[in-house]
Amino acid sequence: DAKTTQPPSMDCAEGRAANLPCNHSTISGNEYVYWYRQIHSQGPQYIIHGLKNNETNEMASLIITEDRKSSTLILPHATLRDTAVYYCIVRVSLPFSGGYQKVTFGTGTKLQVIP
Amino acid sequence: NAGVTQTPKFQVLKTGQSMTLQCAQDMNHNSMYWYRQDPGMGLRLIYYSASEGTTDKGEVPNGYNVSRLNKREFSLRLESAAPSQTSVYFCASSGTRGGTEAFFGQGTRLTVV
Repeated sequence: DAKTTQPPSMDCAEGRAANLPCNHSTISGNEYVYWYRQIHSQGPQYIIHGLKNNETNEMASLIITEDRKSSTLILPHATLRDTAVYYCIVRVSLPFSGGYQKVTFGTGTKLQVIP
Repeated sequence: NAGVTQTPKFQVLKTGQSMTLQCAQDMNHNSMYWYRQDPGMGLRLIYYSASEGTTDKGEVPNGYNVSRLNKREFSLRLESAAPSQTSVYFCASSGTRGGTEAFFGQGTRLTVV
């Protein structure tokens, strides 16, 4: 599995863009980058994923560098409800299972949105 | 659409007792997972099931057993609970196509005294 490195914590002012970095220098060509978040003690929530192109959805944008060794999750206008732990993970594809992916989490970045 | 449903939400066990955590998903996903999360830590994979009829160990399988009862249900059993198993347990499911995300249940908070 490709490992990821994230800062343990970040602060962001409410209404500003939150930029959460992630390093995944050992990522393989067929591995996707996923972002999840966990609000308080709820179950993790999927945010966005990508392979090599930048992606955007209603929640966030994902910027992946050209060499795919790092990525940035962007919350364009952070609100207090975005305070959470954000996980960057790289999904493994096990060939003998025909594309099955085991999802492994690290410790994530604790984002605190400040009023 | 319920997604991933876990029962119970809370449980207190005495050391040595056994119990089964239940998980069911209604998204027709092939893959299911059990994680544990200790205070201040990330999620650690206990067991996973790539498809109905198969199960495999994750990072921290000791002290646990699992059963993939059918495509919908994946249970986690503690045969002889220990205080070290005090944790929040999350069940998740995902499809098998490229790019499919995982969906998580709301967790079971287990305390072993």
